Amino acid sequence: SQTIHQWPATLVQPVGSPLSLECTVEGTSNPNLYWYRQAAGRGLQLLFYSVGIGQISSEVPQNLSASRPQDRQFILSSKKLLLSDSGFYLCAWVRSTRDRVGNTIYFGEGSWLTVV
Amino acid sequence: AQTVTQSQPEMSVQEAETVTLSCTYDTSESDYYLFWYKQPPSRQMILVIRQEAYKQQNATENRFSVNFQKAAKSFSLKISDSQLGDAAMYFCAYIQGGSEKLVFGKGTKLTVNP
Repeated sequence: SQTIHQWPATLVQPVGSPLSLECTVEGTSNPNLYWYRQAAGRGLQLLFYSVGIGQISSEVPQNLSASRPQDRQFILSSKKLLLSDSGFYLCAWVRSTRDRVGNTIYFGEGSWLTVV
Repeated sequence: AQTVTQSQPEMSVQEAETVTLSCTYDTSESDYYLFWYKQPPSRQMILVIRQEAYKQQNATENRFSVNFQKAAKSFSLKISDSQLGDAAMYFCAYIQGGSEKLVFGKGTKLTVNP
């Protein structure tokens, strides 16, 4: 069965420190992968999405970057965190565009990032 | 570009009553999927209901049902016999078939009063 895992679940980092959030998918191949950020009480802001290895599309210019080193791995990074990077980060995947039967969205458990 | 609009930032309902959350979307495509997701305070995203655009019949899942009006591009969620556990943020989402285009509305915060 398809699953998605995201870690770490909680992170407290000082301003200026690096960040790495990881998301992995199991039970599928060539998924479309997404990183979202959600500030307190707000909606989902799309940060990056990827349709394949090494293919990254950025939706919002910011202090963050994303990479997809393997088919089922999606990493969100920062070299130097800002206070404004604090929030709840969600990874999501959608079944490959070549397989449209039963399209649905799977979400990771989420990562709480507090920059202090 | 595809957009999803949830015009109600907040809604409230009395326990055991019925509430309807609205969602409209804009697309020129004919092949797409629509979803309602629930996000409780734990922040976990929970699928409530899913609708394929090519299906005319409205999807239902127990107390949750949708009113899918394809021509009007409307996809409202009706919660019957509301329970305290239904209190959450609800997101409407759109996926274009055969595409990476995934769009969410801004969400509606539902409060259930005892």
